[in-house]
Amino acid sequence: DAGVIQSPRHEVTEMGQEVTLRCKPISGHDYLFWYRQTMMRGLELLIYFNNNVPIDDSGMPEDRFSAKMPNASFSTLKIQPSEPRDSAVYFCASSFGSEAFFGQGTRLTVV
Amino acid sequence: RKEVEQDPGPFNVPEGATVAFNCTYSNSASQSFFWYRQDCRKEPKLLMSVYSSGNEDGRFTAQLNRASQYISLLIRDSKLSDSATYLCVVNRDVISGNNRKLIWGLGTSLGVNP
Repeated sequence: DAGVIQSPRHEVTEMGQEVTLRCKPISGHDYLFWYRQTMMRGLELLIYFNNNVPIDDSGMPEDRFSAKMPNASFSTLKIQPSEPRDSAVYFCASSFGSEAFFGQGTRLTVV
Repeated sequence: RKEVEQDPGPFNVPEGATVAFNCTYSNSASQSFFWYRQDCRKEPKLLMSVYSSGNEDGRFTAQLNRASQYISLLIRDSKLSDSATYLCVVNRDVISGNNRKLIWGLGTSLGVNP
């Protein structure tokens, strides 16, 4: 298995534009997590799914953020409209059991 | 107060030194505990789980103190390649449900110098 795959690796966009981040979890994993990491706030859980169902989205900062998991092999995190304060590294992780496996992250810069 | 707290460091030590990190957690319902390692501009990776009886993996030893609500990581004979950020993670699983929430510390930065 190639591990958790995220795309794009880097994204630079202008304020107000829509941004879509993509994630393919490890096959067979039943949990999928979206995290955001910044120097100031560290790693923050935004939302997680169990068997494609959103369980806890209390970490989603605002209505501008939304996430979907239409099937077991794909998830998206969308920001619309994007703002400069959304600039961060966004990680997707999946797990089956206690260990979470992370993708390489998407480095988002909103200018 | 954050639910999981770590000393951010940085800890700068010479090669061969022994270094220890502590992490405190505030929620006594926490079920399981982990140390992750994150290299610069990379994703976090599991270093080791932390068991009640303590556990060792080569040069790394993890301890859990439930009464005082802290976990520790000890690195012996440190190597240059140990330079990274070490993240303390606490899992608030709800055993009867499908709720799984990993709470992350901000990390402790370690630099090992030649």
